Amino acid sequence: GAVVSQHPSRVICKSGTSVKIECRSLDFQATTMFWYRQFPKKSLMLMATSNEGSKATYEQGVEKDKFLINHASLTLSTLTVTSAHPEDSSFYICSAQPGAGGASTDTQYFGPGTRLTVL
Amino acid sequence: AQSVTQPDIHITVSEGASLELRCNYSYGATPYLFWYVQSPGQGLQLLLKYFSGDTLVQGIKGFEAEFKRSQSSFNLRKPSVHWSDAAEYFCAVGANYGGSQGNLIFGKGTKLSVKP
Repeated sequence: GAVVSQHPSRVICKSGTSVKIECRSLDFQATTMFWYRQFPKKSLMLMATSNEGSKATYEQGVEKDKFLINHASLTLSTLTVTSAHPEDSSFYICSAQPGAGGASTDTQYFGPGTRLTVL
Repeated sequence: AQSVTQPDIHITVSEGASLELRCNYSYGATPYLFWYVQSPGQGLQLLLKYFSGDTLVQGIKGFEAEFKRSQSSFNLRKPSVHWSDAAEYFCAVGANYGGSQGNLIFGKGTKLSVKP
């Protein structure tokens, strides 16, 4: 149990286009989802915290107009990289934290990540 | 400010040898502590976690970790390493909001290589 999926796993796009990444909790409801970015040989950096039905909370330095987050349901959060540029190329990982009554509510479950390459 | 330090960037051990990965944290209150493993190009898999109680916690794949408050450490250990353990290991600290976990702060990771 407690499986989180991400789609797509890899995406290559041209500079200036927008890319949407989906994060789904497959067997539990996630009241909170987190989006992380991982640079090569670096740790995960939290980008934003997303609560179902409300606006995401962005970390300092993360452009909210560039990285649009929508948490429309208890099982789905999306990250849209708008007007992507080569510097946005990275590995994006989401995690989901269950609400009460499901899987362990004190643990984040991570998706497999999405490799974004902007040409 | 909260922080996690993993002093070793890269460790190489022989298969069958014991392993210890170091993790030190800085946190003002009682933290939630985690170890995750990441295989190349993959997401993170939870190995084990510490919230309270017994300071020696057992995880999956034969890993264990010991919380030492006096040393602000949460080192990961395995008595006998297998070649499949080669991966990147991340220590993380989470806020303890009365039983609900906040966002995680990750260390920079330790890459483990295993020699045959």
